[in-house]
Amino acid sequence: EVLLVESGGGLIQRGGSLRLSCAASEFIVSRNYMSWVRQAPGKGLEWVSIIYSGGSTFYADSVKGRFTISRDNSKNTLYLQMNSLRAEDTAIYYCARVLPYNENFDFWGQGTLVTVSS
Amino acid sequence: EIVLTQSPGTLSLSPGERATLSCRASQSVSSSYLSWYQQKPGQAPRLLIYGASTRATGIPDRFSGSGSGTDFTLTISRLEPEDFAVYYCQHYDSSSMYTFGQGTKLEIK
Repeated sequence: EVLLVESGGGLIQRGGSLRLSCAASEFIVSRNYMSWVRQAPGKGLEWVSIIYSGGSTFYADSVKGRFTISRDNSKNTLYLQMNSLRAEDTAIYYCARVLPYNENFDFWGQGTLVTVSS
Repeated sequence: EIVLTQSPGTLSLSPGERATLSCRASQSVSSSYLSWYQQKPGQAPRLLIYGASTRATGIPDRFSGSGSGTDFTLTISRLEPEDFAVYYCQHYDSSSMYTFGQGTKLEIK
């Protein structure tokens, strides 16, 4: 069974840094498109970043220059390094696998909550 | 930048009724890249429909998607108690990347 398990969330002060992890089971992260999607409390879904199987990365304008997506092939794990955190970054962060043919998110983790205190 | 607008914001129906949810794009989009998700409280979203009309694995056939161009529809033919949730449409294009609609909350009347 495909499984994605996020970790690393927590309470952080404005301007601080945090690294989220997403461990995958039953598929190989490096051979897939992997993404982060976030959801502010009581709000809708917002795409954050993606890393393609070839290694190319893309970011939403709201996080560009502050967040970095990466992966560790030996650990089959996806990461999101978040720097210069702002109050508006407070959200549940989900990792998700992206199917390249239709560009949809077919498997999601349970999410990890990041709270940025001001 | 493509904007997806979902309507209505909230839909109040009873089990057994038919639900029709709309997703309108600010410009014509490829139906190949139009998807729908269901999200229940405290849970991650779940993929329902991709390519505008193809059900994802394990999705009951009471869920159907249709549309093209700027107008897309998610239809639930006969509502079951477990269908009451928030539904999101999503689109991809190379300039906007991944865009979600703001969601439609389907609640029990």
